[in-house]
Amino acid sequence: SQQGEEDPQALSIQEGENATMNCSYKTSINNLQWYRQNSGRGLVHLILIRSNEREKHSGRLRVTLDTSKKSSSLLITASRAADTASYFCATDTGGNTPLVFGKGTRLSVIA
Amino acid sequence: DAGVIQSPRHEVTEMGQEVTLRCKPISGHNSLFWYRQTMMRGLELLIYFNNNVPIDDSGMPEDRFSAKMPNASFSTLKIQPSEPRDSAVYFCASSSGLAGVNEQFFGPGTRLTVL
Repeated sequence: SQQGEEDPQALSIQEGENATMNCSYKTSINNLQWYRQNSGRGLVHLILIRSNEREKHSGRLRVTLDTSKKSSSLLITASRAADTASYFCATDTGGNTPLVFGKGTRLSVIA
Repeated sequence: DAGVIQSPRHEVTEMGQEVTLRCKPISGHNSLFWYRQTMMRGLELLIYFNNNVPIDDSGMPEDRFSAKMPNASFSTLKIQPSEPRDSAVYFCASSSGLAGVNEQFFGPGTRLTVL
């Protein structure tokens, strides 16, 4: 079953702009992760934020987590055409447990 | 490391036929997950194993689906008999199982089409 929803479902921006995607979830979590999926490919892990963390950075990625609102956001700064992909948030309840995915945001970065 | 390996990458079969999907997890990983992705339902867990033991198969749609993990380096997902509604991309993923670390590594998927 779906844990939550990403917002927006689709996003189209110009190269160089920032892209912000949001994710909401329904139940208590241990970790929230963001994955990227290029068309026709498998998912690639981007970043993981633990439930006791509020913000995390990795390169051009910035993730925030608000457990009181059960929501997270992924910011990609200075977007590139190569960032075009679908982005999924996924939650888990601890090590070795399955991920519960949202429906994803389709990002298009136009050169 | 070659990453998670899945075969075949594409499978086209006719309704009623048996389909077997294969997965080789990353060496040393002790958790393996089978997910299915469709346009309608998104990514859903089918079943997962810890140390080769099935832990939760509540996501398996029905008795037509079965999964095995005979050893730490191989798992199969079988559909018998297959139906058109089984058409989807099936992903296998593995994780190291280290405490607090739940990054999962996905294979390229098997795109199944049942005619």
